[in-house]
Amino acid sequence: DSGVTQTPKHLITATGQRVTLRCSPRSGDLSVYWYQQSLDQGLQFLIQYYNGEERAKGNILERFSAQQFPDLHSELNLSSLELGDSALYFCARRSVKKTWVPTGETVLTQYFGPGTRLTVL
Amino acid sequence: DAKTTQPTSMDCAEGRAANLPCNHSTISGNEYVYWYRQIHSQGPQYIIHGLKNNETNEMASLIITEDRKSSTLILPHATLRDTAVYYCIVRLPRGSSNTGKLIFGQGTTLQVKP
Repeated sequence: DSGVTQTPKHLITATGQRVTLRCSPRSGDLSVYWYQQSLDQGLQFLIQYYNGEERAKGNILERFSAQQFPDLHSELNLSSLELGDSALYFCARRSVKKTWVPTGETVLTQYFGPGTRLTVL
Repeated sequence: DAKTTQPTSMDCAEGRAANLPCNHSTISGNEYVYWYRQIHSQGPQYIIHGLKNNETNEMASLIITEDRKSSTLILPHATLRDTAVYYCIVRLPRGSSNTGKLIFGQGTTLQVKP
């Protein structure tokens, strides 16, 4: 169990439409990451939120947006959908595990949800 | 984050050890080596990570060379359920310059055969 719930599991829609994907990390996890996996691009980082604020942006299109709510669940909004947006969309939470190393740094581990498969027809 | 190079695909017989190599010749001193795997269309799954020393957990062992320019993930007794794409990722620990995002390469497709 990754501790991440994603809904819906499958979504089929038409070009030009708008959809919302939902991610619920385990209670207390402040960070949420969104990734897209398409056949031609592989797994790509889209965006990260931490405690309600955007923390990092990757290869996210302007037609896409995300937000994280006070209860820490997150939503990824995809609009003006195109055929090429068909992909698996994964959400991940971050578990901060303190590992002793000489520099005293903190090791990060991400746990991924089962994903939402989006098909744009 | 340092770039990694992995073979595109590998085969392994069921019950035998699977040794998956990864080259990361440009790794810097405080970058960690992480391994994730993705079983067909499922979310990537964390396997193991290390900095300098060899590491072992219930899933696998990680062997890092002394110069840290390469590493090997070892699945000691591969099963059919280990068939997956294995990703080697090198990244910095948490800090102001690292938000924790993962940069995935193409990975190695491991096919475990009966």
